[in-house]
Amino acid sequence: DSGVTQTPKHLITATGQRVTLRCSPRSGDLSVYWYQQSLDQGLQFLIQYYNGEERAKGNILERFSAQQFPDLHSELNLSSLELGDSALYFCASSTRTSGRRTDTQYFGPGTRLTVL
Amino acid sequence: GIQVEQSPPDLILQEGANSTLRCNFSDSVNNLQWFHQNPWGQLINLFYIPSGTKQNGRLSATTVATERYSLLYISSSQTTDSGVYFCAVDSNYQLIWGAGTKLIIKP
Repeated sequence: DSGVTQTPKHLITATGQRVTLRCSPRSGDLSVYWYQQSLDQGLQFLIQYYNGEERAKGNILERFSAQQFPDLHSELNLSSLELGDSALYFCASSTRTSGRRTDTQYFGPGTRLTVL
Repeated sequence: GIQVEQSPPDLILQEGANSTLRCNFSDSVNNLQWFHQNPWGQLINLFYIPSGTKQNGRLSATTVATERYSLLYISSSQTTDSGVYFCAVDSNYQLIWGAGTKLIIKP
């Protein structure tokens, strides 16, 4: 158990809908990262927050957004869902981001999203 | 952007065998991490290794940053080692991932 929790574990929804994925980092971790893992594109970094502020953005679509709350949990919002958004979405956390180097990242169990 | 290549893509071994997985990267990076994704999908961090050699039980890793590669050694393989092994390089707060090596250990 990494200490990172994600809910829900599974989510099945229809095209055009909107969903929210939730992540609680390990106790004491200030950084939260979101990743998407799909069969055709592998693991891709989406976005990182550090202590409530956006720190880095990767291949995140405009239909997706995220935020980190004062209690450090994070939510990833996916809207206008398409079939191609079906994937495993991981959240990870780390203690800090020192300079331009990230720390060891600990991953949650993931949320498997299926868009029908 | 940085390219990360892993080899071999697939590896099938008998229990007890040793293996070496390789990760090449195309540019200087701040850091490199190795992960294991088990058959249930859980991603587990194995090593945080910007350079040098580290060991953890039957696993060890070596990164030669100047030559832009890292190696993961697995000795005396067990069936629980099966899964996909990823290396990921750290560039400007982002982890850039390789495509992984799928390892199957047969009893």
